[in-house]
Amino acid sequence: GNSVTQMEGPVTLSEEAFLTINCTYTATGYPSLFWYVQYPGEGLQLLLKATKADDKGSNKGFEATYRKETTSFHLEKGSVQVSDSAVYFCALVNTGTASKLTFGTGTRLQVTL
Amino acid sequence: DTEVTQTPKHLVMGMTNKKSLKCEQHMGHRAMYWYKQKAKKPPELMFVYSYEKLSINESVPSRFSPECPNSSLLNLHLHALQPEDSALYLCASSQDRGWGTDTQYFGPGTRLTVL
Repeated sequence: GNSVTQMEGPVTLSEEAFLTINCTYTATGYPSLFWYVQYPGEGLQLLLKATKADDKGSNKGFEATYRKETTSFHLEKGSVQVSDSAVYFCALVNTGTASKLTFGTGTRLQVTL
Repeated sequence: DTEVTQTPKHLVMGMTNKKSLKCEQHMGHRAMYWYKQKAKKPPELMFVYSYEKLSINESVPSRFSPECPNSSLLNLHLHALQPEDSALYLCASSQDRGWGTDTQYFGPGTRLTVL
């Protein structure tokens, strides 16, 4: 079956630090990969996505590259801000699964001044 | 525009009440979803509608009853809920191009408390 593994949080960084949140997946075929962000008290927002191997998704300074050889989709940002404090979910959707999203457990990011 | 709206934002209900959650999208999406999210957990899929027909029910108790009146609207009718049903209920929508890898866009959620 499909599964997503994310690094355990919380991750605590100072403002302007470099961020990496690791995400690896297990899936047959050609899944699409996503990062969603959830700010406190809110719903999920799509942060970025990649639909095929070697695609790079990017948005708001965040990037992630679809690496089929390592089955990974790590999230990176060069300089985090306090406003980036949120929970980040890595997820995949695979062909033949009726668009059912498989989520990782989520990683809480706390950015301090 | 990738907006999914949900009402109400907050809902408090007793175990004998009947209430409904509403979700709306105007992106022309033909698949709509209900998720339940408990604190510090990822969302769990409850129901999927595809072209206004229920296509997936993830063994959800019958006290939750979904309805899709048209392609833009999705309701979740609630009756005789239990305190453990308290959670954030999220609606999502996506195109339904048939190969199953469409992007889902989420609404802001309804925070439900069952007393």
